[in-house]
Amino acid sequence: GESVGLHLPTLSVQEGDNSIINCAYSNSASDYFIWYKQESGKGPQFIIDIRSNMDKRQGQRVTVLLNKTVKHLSLQIAATQPGDSAVYFCAVSGNQFYFGTGTSLTVIP
Amino acid sequence: DAGVTQSPTHLIKTRGQQVTLRCSPISGHKSVSWYQQVLGQGPQFIFQYYEKEERGRGNFPDRFSARQFPNYSSELNVNALLLGDSALYLCASSLKTGNSPLHFGNGTRLTVT
Repeated sequence: GESVGLHLPTLSVQEGDNSIINCAYSNSASDYFIWYKQESGKGPQFIIDIRSNMDKRQGQRVTVLLNKTVKHLSLQIAATQPGDSAVYFCAVSGNQFYFGTGTSLTVIP
Repeated sequence: DAGVTQSPTHLIKTRGQQVTLRCSPISGHKSVSWYQQVLGQGPQFIFQYYEKEERGRGNFPDRFSARQFPNYSSELNVNALLLGDSALYLCASSLKTGNSPLHFGNGTRLTVT
């Protein structure tokens, strides 16, 4: 199986600052990774994905970094806004998708 | 375009009862997966279906079953409900199995009393 863990269960940042959410996984054979955002009362929303043949991918205000050597990925959110407040999950592919327990991001105005 | 739709949004059942949850995938998506999310935890995989065939099953008891219909919609059935089955049940669709992003619905909140 796969074990997925996030480094911090909660994170508070000032509006306008950059946020970094980290995730560790256990299976070196994992080759596809997704970050999701889940707001209260809603299902997880796809943010960005990355395959193991890449170590960095950028989207709108978000960047995912993958370090396969230490089995670690991170999500960076630039210029964090109040609307970014949510729980963030990393999902790691295997014979199924394995999710971490989530990091709750709070943006302080 | 419509996203993944799930019904009902909320449900209250009594221990021992049976429940059926429904899911319609994004148009063109042939794979449907079901996840259970307990409060404060990440989603846990229950089933994946692709082209009406079961392609994967998580560590859940036989009380949980599912099926996929020719139009790719899906149902999740849970028999003999236990208090511990109270959770948010999420359906996700994807274009194919394997390394393809999952797109989730907003879930069905099941409460077992």
